[in-house]
Formats: sequence, C-alpha cells, structure tokens
Amino acid sequence: AQTVTQSQPEMSVQEAETVTLSCTYDTSESDYYLFWYKQPPSRQMILVIRQEAYKQQNATENRFSVNFQKAAKSFSLKISDSQLGDAAMYFCAYKNRDDKIIFGKGTRLHILP
Amino acid sequence: DAMVIQNPRYQVTQFGKPVTLSCSQTLNHNVMYWYQQKSSQAPKLLFHYYDKDFNNEADTPDNFQSRRPNTSFCFLDIRSPGLGDAAMYLCATSRGTSRNLNEQFFGPGTRLTVL
Repeated sequence: AQTVTQSQPEMSVQEAETVTLSCTYDTSESDYYLFWYKQPPSRQMILVIRQEAYKQQNATENRFSVNFQKAAKSFSLKISDSQLGDAAMYFCAYKNRDDKIIFGKGTRLHILP
Repeated sequence: DAMVIQNPRYQVTQFGKPVTLSCSQTLNHNVMYWYQQKSSQAPKLLFHYYDKDFNNEADTPDNFQSRRPNTSFCFLDIRSPGLGDAAMYLCATSRGTSRNLNEQFFGPGTRLTVL
C-alpha cells in the first residue's frame, strides 16, 4: 500500500518570501502521479500542481514549482513570492493505478504580512 | 461553469436520524468519489463509483451507503449517524481511466453536525 508523509504540520512564511513544503511517499509502483492540492479555510480543495512520475522535468505553474526526486520518493512544493491568498492547508497526494488518491495529512501554511 | 455541486452546504441531524447528502456534477466525469474529512485531517476515501460500478473501501462502516442514479448525481446516505460521523463530506469527480494524469475535482463539501 502506498503512503504519503508530510512532516510539517504547520509552516509560516513572510509575504513575498519563498517557502518549501516537503512531502515523501512510499510505493512499489513505477508509474504514478503526484499532486499538490490547496484547501483554503472554508473553501473547496483545488489542484495546485501535478507531476507525472515518468517525467524527470519538474512541473511549474506560475509561482508554484515542485522538486521531484523519484529515487528518493520526494515531492516538495516551492511557493515563490508568497501572497496572503496562499494561506491554506496544502495536501500532497499520490494517485495509484486504481485511480485512488492517497493524501498526506497536510501542511497548514500561514502567510505573515 | 462546469463544476461539482454539493447540497446542502451545512446539514444538522440528530443522533440516529438518517441523513442524505447530495452531489451533482456538470463535468460529465465517469468517476465520482465520496470522502470524509475531519477537522485538520486528510480526506479519507469512503467509496467511489466508476461509471455504475460501486467500489467500497474496506474500512468504510456499513452505516454509510451510496447511490448513483445517473452520471450527474451521487448520494451519500448515513443510515444512523453517530457523534463520530460529524465531519466535512467531500464529493469529487474525475475523468477516470487507469494511468492518467486526470485530477480530481472537488465540491465545496457538506459540513455535517450530529446532535
């Protein structure tokens, strides 16, 4: 069974600074997909960024980028130029071949003005 | 806009009184999921439908049932809610085939309170 671990329950970052959220996972599959989801307070979960395991190139979406290290089974999220609207719970997620998503426990990100 | 809609957004029920939560989607996705999310925890998958095929998670209590009468709608029935069932219930959809990058689209959730 796959597992996803987010070792940082909470993090804070100054507005306009850069922050990295860590995520590791365990799997025996060679082909899978990884996601970061954002869940703002009292709002719905939305996709931030996605990564295909067979692609070596790290995904980027504007201010969001990942550092995908397949051998180390690591999938960290970097947020550049942090904004107040980035405050949310961030979930790292692994999608297996059965189309199921396994979520990490989440990291609550606070943005300090 | 195409989206995932959940009704009601807030539901209060009494201990042991059956309750039904609904989810509808305009995305025409063939897979629909129900998650339970307790405060400050990760969503926990309860079950999902792949088209009409129902897939129950092994640890989902029998108290939880689901119906999917058509592609657009999916219901979560809690037959006898207990205090431990108070949570946010999330519906999600995806255009599911194996080995694809298709993300899951989430609804806003229904927050269930059990008195």
